[in-house]
Amino acid sequence: GAVVSQHPSRVICKSGTSVKIECRSLDFQATTMFWYRQFPKQSLMLMATSNEGSKATYEQGVEKDKFLINHASLTLSTLTVTSAHPEDSSFYICSAAPGTSQETQYFGPGTRLLVL
Amino acid sequence: GESVGLHLPTLSVQEGDNSIINCAYSNSASDYFIWYKQESGKGPQFIIDIRSNMDKRQGQRVTVLLNKTVKHLSLQIAATQPGDSAVYFCAENIGNQGGKLIFGQGTELSVKP
Repeated sequence: GAVVSQHPSRVICKSGTSVKIECRSLDFQATTMFWYRQFPKQSLMLMATSNEGSKATYEQGVEKDKFLINHASLTLSTLTVTSAHPEDSSFYICSAAPGTSQETQYFGPGTRLLVL
Repeated sequence: GESVGLHLPTLSVQEGDNSIINCAYSNSASDYFIWYKQESGKGPQFIIDIRSNMDKRQGQRVTVLLNKTVKHLSLQIAATQPGDSAVYFCAENIGNQGGKLIFGQGTELSVKP
């Protein structure tokens, strides 16, 4: 149980285009989902906290207009990287917290984004 | 806290030996700590957790020690196996912040057969 999926697993896009990444909790309802970014050989950096039915809370330094987050249902959150540039190339990971506990987070397998 | 731009610390051990991975956390208000294992190209995988009212917790082949006085966590892996090779992260959950996790720098564990 407690499986989180991400789609796509990897994506290559041209500079200036937008890319949407989906995060789904497959067998539980997630009141809260989190989005992280990880550059090579570095740690996970929290980008934003997404709560179902409300606006996401972004961490300092993360542009909300560039990284659009939508958490429209209790099993799906999406991250859209708008007008992507090569410096946005990274490994994007989501996690989902069941409604019963905010402490427990189940992580997705990650999405590798390469912007050319 | 983050250590942007630094290389991951590495730990190399012989198969069968015990491994100890250390982590310093930053916030005295953190009340819940988790160790994750991350293999290349994959998401983090939960290993073991510990609450701030404990100083030791044991799992299968793993033990986590918490020293709140010096804000230090360690993960001990007994009889390390090649399959344990991965990057290990500690994460702290700062109370009353909606479950937000702050990840440590990470340590790359390499197990020699």
